[in-house]
Amino acid sequence: AQSVTQLGSHVSVSEGALVLLRCNYSSSVPPYLFWYVQYPNQGLQLLLKYTTGATLVKGINGFEAEFKKSETSFHLTKPSAHMSDAAEYFCAGGDPGGRLIFGQGTELSVKP
Amino acid sequence: GAGVSQSPSNKVTEKGKDVELRCDPISGHTALYWYRQSLGQGLEFLIYFQGNSAPDKSGLPSDRFSAERTGGSVSTLTIQRTQQEDSAVYLCASTLGGQGASNYGYTFGSGTRLTVV
Repeated sequence: AQSVTQLGSHVSVSEGALVLLRCNYSSSVPPYLFWYVQYPNQGLQLLLKYTTGATLVKGINGFEAEFKKSETSFHLTKPSAHMSDAAEYFCAGGDPGGRLIFGQGTELSVKP
Repeated sequence: GAGVSQSPSNKVTEKGKDVELRCDPISGHTALYWYRQSLGQGLEFLIYFQGNSAPDKSGLPSDRFSAERTGGSVSTLTIQRTQQEDSAVYLCASTLGGQGASNYGYTFGSGTRLTVV
């Protein structure tokens, strides 16, 4: 079955520290991968999307994700966390029918 | 419009009542999706429209849920005889085509928060 798994429902980092949010996908998911961010009481905003052939994908707000086919992973990183990065982050994969399959989400907290 | 618009933003309804949730997609987007976001369930796919037809309605949880789209634009999600477990945020998204998730990703609206009391 197609699935996307995010490791850790909650991640807490200090301001200025590295952000690492983990995402693994099942090999049956086509390599259409995305990260979305959701701020409180808002919809989902696209952070970045995987482009075939790329290994490192750059997104908005300084985020990037590394695609590792051998590990079926698409982890999201940011070198230095800002307070404004506090939000919920969703990894998603696109199935052949065009639907997005979402991970369970990871809530990122940033401590001063 | 410039973005995906959903209304109402918040809805409180009594158990057993019917509710209608509206989604106005980005102009020109032919594909429209409804998702439900509830605590402990993450984001669940409900239904997908390509134009006015719904090739995939496999995510609708029961026959109390229905949706339609007219003019290839506005969509309405209707929940009949609401139950407390229907309480959730209902998100709508649109994209340029049926393979939108593959090629473009989606643009999401801000959602309708439904509370059934």
